Amino acid sequence: NAGVTQTPKFQVLKTGQSMTLQCAQDMNHEYMSWYRQDPGMGLRLIHYSVGAGITDQGEVPNGYNVSRSTTEDFPLRLLSAAPSQTSVYFCASTLSTSGYNEQFFGPGTRLTVL
Amino acid sequence: GQQLNQSPQSMFIQEGEDVSMNCTSSSIFNTWLWYKQDPGEGPVLLIALYKAGELTSNGRLTAQFGITRKDSFLNISASIPSDVGIYFCAGLTNTGTASKLTFGTGTRLQVTL
Repeated sequence: NAGVTQTPKFQVLKTGQSMTLQCAQDMNHEYMSWYRQDPGMGLRLIHYSVGAGITDQGEVPNGYNVSRSTTEDFPLRLLSAAPSQTSVYFCASTLSTSGYNEQFFGPGTRLTVL
Repeated sequence: GQQLNQSPQSMFIQEGEDVSMNCTSSSIFNTWLWYKQDPGEGPVLLIALYKAGELTSNGRLTAQFGITRKDSFLNISASIPSDVGIYFCAGLTNTGTASKLTFGTGTRLQVTL
């Protein structure tokens, strides 16, 4: 049981490049989400998914796309990277959306856009 | 969007001292959570609070859900070096389709020997 895994751990992009941040969980959790963490701003919700085939926008969705074709995987896509997307990205999963269940966070992806 | 104000932003304390930090919001939350983040890692849940006025302990940690549902505090007693990290409060709201977390800006704790 690996929990929540994220790849890559570090990434440097040039402005305009695209890439996909990978997130996977092996706990059969329904709910998965992506956050970005910037200095002095805490974690902000980008997108979330309540189950396979269902996604929705969070607080800061612009510039990011997501899909949820399986329960296990929830990739985050940057279609045209911008310097403002330099941040640390965390994926999280929780058992279900009814009530509160503990969210488990991945180790993060540190992205720099030049 | 909703904002959580967390204070202090940072603290430098000596080993053995007690620590207190708090979080206030302009909105009501159904649940308050406290997380700790170690360098290079994701946040890890410390304490969850489900009812207004609730006081919950987890070892040396004690947290309370404010009676107005707009604030919470976290106390750490007899701090040790491994308490170093960033502490985040988070408020949970239920939107009907999903529960959403709003995070505070964090309190960075440094412990000196």
